[in-house]
Amino acid sequence: GAVVSQHPSRVICKSGTSVKIECRSLDFQATTMFWYRQFPKQSLMLMATSNEGSKATYEQGVEKDKFLINHASLTLSTLTVTSAHPEDSSFYICSARDTGPRTPQHFGDGTRLSIL
Amino acid sequence: GQQLNQSPQSMFIQEGEDVSMNCTSSSIFNTWLWYKQDPGEGPVLLIALYKAGELTSNGRLTAQFGITRKDSFLNISASIPSDVGIYFCAGQIGNTNAGKSTFGDGTTLTVKP
Repeated sequence: GAVVSQHPSRVICKSGTSVKIECRSLDFQATTMFWYRQFPKQSLMLMATSNEGSKATYEQGVEKDKFLINHASLTLSTLTVTSAHPEDSSFYICSARDTGPRTPQHFGDGTRLSIL
Repeated sequence: GQQLNQSPQSMFIQEGEDVSMNCTSSSIFNTWLWYKQDPGEGPVLLIALYKAGELTSNGRLTAQFGITRKDSFLNISASIPSDVGIYFCAGQIGNTNAGKSTFGDGTTLTVKP
């Protein structure tokens, strides 16, 4: 089955640090990847859609300059949280879809980001 | 925008009991998906439904794509402790919006041994 790998699984860093999270599709090519944020006991909140070779599409209210997304290849998308602050602490999850009409999203295992 | 109403919000059941949860929407979807999320992990796909009226099973799990395309349910039979987790439904409109999915708020399942 489709496998999506997300790294790192956990990050603890000081306020002001920029943090990069990687999302890789291991056994399929993903022209589209998605980045979500999840608060405790809540559903997944879509932040942006990452498109291979073009600019990401951000959801309303998500700061483009704060959450930089790069989708340089068909198997890798990265999310960089720039100058992170404690309010950016959250669980970030990526997903990826293979091409074709009947292809569901498959999720990575998430990254727990804690900003001190 | 599209919204999914998922119910119930939480369930507390005894091991061995059957479970049923559902999602409804005011919008039509071409795909319905059911995921399970364990604490600290990403959601895992359980069942994908692509055709109105489709009934699909995955072990003790059964899900159906509503005939109106606006709802779906998930049943779990003979629940076991490892069924504990949060179950999310998701609706997808084909390849439009780059296959973006709309998620329900989740059903938290607790199974008492």
